[in-house]
Order: sequence, then structure tokens, then C-alpha cells
Amino acid sequence: KNQVEQSPQSLIILEGKNCTLQCNYTVSPFSNLRWYKQDTGRGPVSLTIMTFSENTKSNGRYTATLDADTKQSSLHITASQLSDSASYICVVMRNTGFQKLVFGTGTRLLVSP
Amino acid sequence: GAVVSQHPSRVICKSGTSVKIECRSLDFQATTMFWYRQFPKQSLMLMATSNEGSKATYEQGVEKDKFLINHASLTLSTLTVTSAHPEDSSFYICSAREVGQSNTEAFFGQGTRLTVV
Repeated sequence: KNQVEQSPQSLIILEGKNCTLQCNYTVSPFSNLRWYKQDTGRGPVSLTIMTFSENTKSNGRYTATLDADTKQSSLHITASQLSDSASYICVVMRNTGFQKLVFGTGTRLLVSP
Repeated sequence: GAVVSQHPSRVICKSGTSVKIECRSLDFQATTMFWYRQFPKQSLMLMATSNEGSKATYEQGVEKDKFLINHASLTLSTLTVTSAHPEDSSFYICSAREVGQSNTEAFFGQGTRLTVV
């Protein structure tokens, strides 16, 4: 079954600290993996997109990793800021005739002052 | 990055009325747009895929007569919730991909909070 699981479900960290969010997937055939940030009441905004051959990709303080062998990805946030408080969604695209996105349930991050 | 604009951002309507939500790609053309529904603390659930100039493809369990989709141009898709009921209250989000870029990222609208009273 094509699924994307994220952990933890929620996380509270102090401002300035680092954190790592996890994503495991069983989606097949795999096309690419994306991380999105979704602020409350807003649409998701793309952070990174990685294909099978990419192991790591950075976007400012966000660094995503991908291990296609173990079907795991992580999103590392460095020097967190209050504005990082949001839901982070891992999304995998299936490489079928029409590429479909499979969404994880997200990790809700709260950065506390 | 590309911009997808969704309107309105919030709408409150009475039970039994219909509500139209617009999704526009502002700086690119989108052959395909997608409509999602999101309940609190849950992830996005794909409702239907909107194809320019043809009928939308609905996911299993989504009533096509309830959620009317029209994709009349390469930059505009609309979702009409007909005869709305309180259980239709949700956060609706659209996304779009550029023409010929099916493998790249999808750009999401800012969402529409629908409340049916």
C-alpha cells in the first residue's frame, strides 16, 4: 500500500535549537519526494524536492536528506525561529502513468521563545 | 516560484446554498489543477483532478454532482460546492502544475476556509 508516515506527530523546541523531522514511505514506483511547510490556515509551500539520485538538498536553514534504499527522508531545521512554527508535510510522487502525490500526515512544529 | 491564487480565502454560507471557489495560476499555464480537502490536524486529501477542456477526474467517494469542477482555461479552475451542508465545512486547497511539467513541484493556493451554518 502506498503510504507516507511522519514522525513525530508534534514537536516543541526552543527558539534557536535544531530539530529533525522524519519521513518513511512505501510509495512505489517512486518519482520524487517533497517537503512542504504549511502555516495554519494557509496552503503548503514547497521547501525541497528530491529525485531518486539526490541524497541531500538544502534551502536556507532547511536541509532534507533522502535514502532511497531504506525509503526514508528527514528534514533538518537549523537555528529555529518562531516563524518556523508550522506543519511540515512529506509528500512522495508516484511515478505512474499520471503522477500522483501521496501525502504524509505532517509534523506540527512549535518553536517556543 | 510560481503563484497560485485562490479566492475567497474564507466564506460562510447557509445550508442549502452553493459556494464557488476559484483557483488561478497567475504566472504560468496549468493544464492540470488539483482540488484537496483538509480537515483539522489531518493531511490533504485529493478530491479531484481538474483537466483543462475536459471533465474532472474524481477520487473514490467524492460526489461529482456535489463538488462541481470547471477548468475552462489554462489559468482558472473552479470548485462549486452545491447544496452545502455543515459537514462540508472544511479547508479546501487547490494546486497546479505547469504545462508539460508533470514531474515537478505543484504550487498550492492559499486555501479556502468554508464554514456552512
